[in-house]
Amino acid sequence: DTGVSQDPRHKITKRGQNVTFRCDPISEHNRLYWYRQTLGQGPEFLTYFQNEAQLEKSRLLSDRFSAERPKGSFSTLEIQRTEQGDSAMYLCASSSLSRGANGYTFGSGTRLTVV
Amino acid sequence: AQSVTQLGSHVSVSEGALVLLRCNYSSSVPPYLFWYVQYPNQGLQLLLKYTTGATLVKGINGFEAEFKKSETSFHLTKPSAHMSDAAEYFCAVSPNTGFQKLVFGTGTRLLVSP
Repeated sequence: DTGVSQDPRHKITKRGQNVTFRCDPISEHNRLYWYRQTLGQGPEFLTYFQNEAQLEKSRLLSDRFSAERPKGSFSTLEIQRTEQGDSAMYLCASSSLSRGANGYTFGSGTRLTVV
Repeated sequence: AQSVTQLGSHVSVSEGALVLLRCNYSSSVPPYLFWYVQYPNQGLQLLLKYTTGATLVKGINGFEAEFKKSETSFHLTKPSAHMSDAAEYFCAVSPNTGFQKLVFGTGTRLLVSP
């Protein structure tokens, strides 16, 4: 068990470009979550998957954001036409439905800087 | 709906002093409560959690927290601060039914001086 892995750790992009982040959850975890954390704030929920189904999306997830988990394993978060306001740490977490709160584990995050 | 309020964006203590970080929650159903620590440019590490049972919860690194339903509080304490405790601390809440997501407070930065 290597924990939740996120790639890349850091991403600098120019405004208007598209970016994609990847999250590899703990292998036996069937739930996967994305959060966004801006400077000086706590993480804010974006969306979550149970297996490959996206079950909830926050109002923070604008039309420029899309998340997928095609085979119920890794997930990608894409941001199209990035804006400076998208600069943040994007955190992924995973958990097991059977363990609920007891197995909730965060990755180290991807820090996005839009210039 | 659930929400969390962390009183004090910054708390300063001397090494060896008591650490007290405050968290009050609002929840329409019995909550799960969590404390996480975050070091610079890193993800979140779970310190401790309350789900059911004993209201005094012990976590890692000597931290503990007490769930007080009557006060809707879940304050984090540590008897003696260490320099390595300097970090950002987040309180979070989730409904104990279904457990889909966490709602975080805005965080408290703990500063420890020698």
